[in-house]
Amino acid sequence: QQQVKQSPQSLIVQKGGISIINCAYENTAFDYFPWYQQFPGKGPALLIAIRPDVSEKKEGRFTISFNKSAKQFSLHIMDSQPGDSATYFCAASKPSFNKFYFGSGTKLNVKP
Amino acid sequence: NAGVTQTPKFRVLKTGQSMTLLCAQDMNHEYMYWYRQDPGMGLRLIHYSVGEGTTAKGEVPDGYNVSRLKKQNFLLGLESAAPSQTSVYFCASRMTATDTQYFGPGTRLTVL
Repeated sequence: QQQVKQSPQSLIVQKGGISIINCAYENTAFDYFPWYQQFPGKGPALLIAIRPDVSEKKEGRFTISFNKSAKQFSLHIMDSQPGDSATYFCAASKPSFNKFYFGSGTKLNVKP
Repeated sequence: NAGVTQTPKFRVLKTGQSMTLLCAQDMNHEYMYWYRQDPGMGLRLIHYSVGEGTTAKGEVPDGYNVSRLKKQNFLLGLESAAPSQTSVYFCASRMTATDTQYFGPGTRLTVL
């Protein structure tokens, strides 16, 4: 059973537009929801993360929206730039699980 | 600090051959992880370790073995490589007190 489902698989956005990537999770015990950014040929790097005690977290142009009742969370990239073109992964975990469950990834292409 | 390093960067094996992938971290992290990344499937956990001398199975452990004889190193072994093990392998580490994983640059493995 896939623990974290991510959509869309790919996304094309014009420069200056808003990129939105969605994730849904199964296990209500999860209490940590990070987003990772991966450039070609590199390892993933933490972008932003949220815990379920808040509904939104913003860091610069990147915002996570969290809906606990729907078991969904999303990444919003405001004023998208060509340099944001990368693959984005959502994930979920509970520290006592010692494991992280990743979504399938979204390849974002920001057109100049 | 080099962070998380992986050796080798690329490798081509023939079916049935064996090999060992090395992950090293210089951040004194307790936790270390091995993931495989396949197109459309995100990152899937192979094995992980919560400390020196301990290892545990992840989501997709079959065909792989691991060892953590030193805190800074986490080895992933393929005893008899199969074409289904063609993938990009990522190692990650994290501190006990935080949830942030730090990833290495990856090893691209092709099994013919």
